[in-house]
Amino acid sequence: AAGVIQSPRHLIKEKRETATLKCYPIPRHDTVYWYQQGPGQDPQFLISFYEKMQSDKGSIPDRFSAQQFSDYHSELNMSSLELGDSALYFCASTRRREPPLHFGNGTRLTVT
Amino acid sequence: EDQVTQSPEALRLQEGESSSLNCSYTVSGLRGLFWYRQDPGKGPEFLFTLYSAGEEKEKERLKATLTKKESFLHITAPKPEDSATYLCAVGAGDYKLSFGAGTTVTVRA
Repeated sequence: AAGVIQSPRHLIKEKRETATLKCYPIPRHDTVYWYQQGPGQDPQFLISFYEKMQSDKGSIPDRFSAQQFSDYHSELNMSSLELGDSALYFCASTRRREPPLHFGNGTRLTVT
Repeated sequence: EDQVTQSPEALRLQEGESSSLNCSYTVSGLRGLFWYRQDPGKGPEFLFTLYSAGEEKEKERLKATLTKKESFLHITAPKPEDSATYLCAVGAGDYKLSFGAGTTVTVRA
């Protein structure tokens, strides 16, 4: 079965640079969630989209922005990167905001 | 604010030694309690959804139960391939999930 696809799998950036993470949900899924997981920590909710509109917002820094496109894929844009942004970033998708959420394998961002 | 607490933090088992993981929660308007399995460097893999007290779900060697304040994940006769971090999460609102810190299970052959 098709799963959530995230790219890139790994990304290395320097401080103050920008990064763009992409998420392709499971076909026919219209809801996307972004989570950040620091080393040894549980995933923290960042932001979600339903039918291309922002649905909910969590602890997402102002330096980050995201959107969902007409084909339902989503991009997380991160600017002025800081060392503390180093983490695994997961995308999850579902249909009509109904559970369960299905997660991708994440993008590991390392800021040096 | 939603809170999810998992215990123990880590669990080391001998193959075949059954045990249980605990997840206690406080949430306003529970819209499901979810169990996920996470392997190192990978995304959480969905296991179970529980909606109401008394509900039980089973999958192979795993069984999840739910009360009004907590959930248990029972692992029966575990095998080394059951080694993983097991995450509990509660859903509220648009099902954005609030996760617990997880229980890391290591099963020795």
